[in-house]
Amino acid sequence: QSVLTQPPSASETPGQRVTISCSGGSSNIGSNYVNWYQQVPGTAPELLIYRNNQRPSGVPDRFSGSKSGTSASLAISGLRSEDEGNYYCATWDDSLSGPVFGGGTKLTVL
Amino acid sequence: QITLKESGPTVVKPTQTLTLTCSFSGFSLSTSGVGVGWIRQPPGKALEWLALIFWDDDKRYSPSLRSRLTITKDTSKSQVVLTLTNVDPVDTATYYCAHSYWGSQPPYFDSWGQGTLVTVSS
Repeated sequence: QSVLTQPPSASETPGQRVTISCSGGSSNIGSNYVNWYQQVPGTAPELLIYRNNQRPSGVPDRFSGSKSGTSASLAISGLRSEDEGNYYCATWDDSLSGPVFGGGTKLTVL
Repeated sequence: QITLKESGPTVVKPTQTLTLTCSFSGFSLSTSGVGVGWIRQPPGKALEWLALIFWDDDKRYSPSLRSRLTITKDTSKSQVVLTLTNVDPVDTATYYCAHSYWGSQPPYFDSWGQGTLVTVSS
C-alpha cells in the first residue's frame, strides 16, 4: 500500500489531453514539493517534473504539473504513442524522514 | 554528465545477505548537499524507496526495512553500497540507485542507474 494514491490506469486517444492525480497527506504533499517520474516499460524511471511544475531540460512542455493542498496532478497534452508507460508521483514525507512514491499509473494511448 | 550503474548478484538464496554496489561518475559524494539513494521495483509493481546517504554521512532508511538495511559510501571510489540481510523471495526486484541533492528543499532523484534485477530463490 503506497503512501501516495494514484489511479492504477488512464487512457486517451492521440492528440488529446490526460490528467493523472496523486493524493497524499499533510506530512508529504501538503508540506513538500511533488515530483513525477516517467517509466517506459523495460527501462529505468526518468525525472519528468520536479518541484511541482518544473521540467528538466529536454522534457517537452506538453507535460505539466500542479499541486493544491495535499493533492497533485500531472497533465499531458497532445498525447503521443511514445507517452505510453507508467507514471509515478513522489515527494518527501516529513514523518517518515524519507521519500515516498505513489503506486503508479499506467497510461495507454489508444 | 551524471551516470550511475548498479552491480551485484543476480540470484541470492533465501536468508542470505544481498550486497549491491552503485558506481557513479559526474559528481562527488563529498560535495555539500549531494546524496545517493536506492529504490527497488518488484516485477510488475511500484517503486519503493529503500535508503539514502548524503555527503555528510547522514543516512535515511525506509521504516519498514530499517532493521535489514545498511547503506555506506566510499567517496574515494565513487561508490555506494547497500546491504539487505535475511532476504526472502518477496525481495525479488530490480534495484536502482539514483542521484539526489538536498538544497533548500528535501531532495528528489534526478538521475537514475539502469537497474539490476535480483532474484531471491533457492
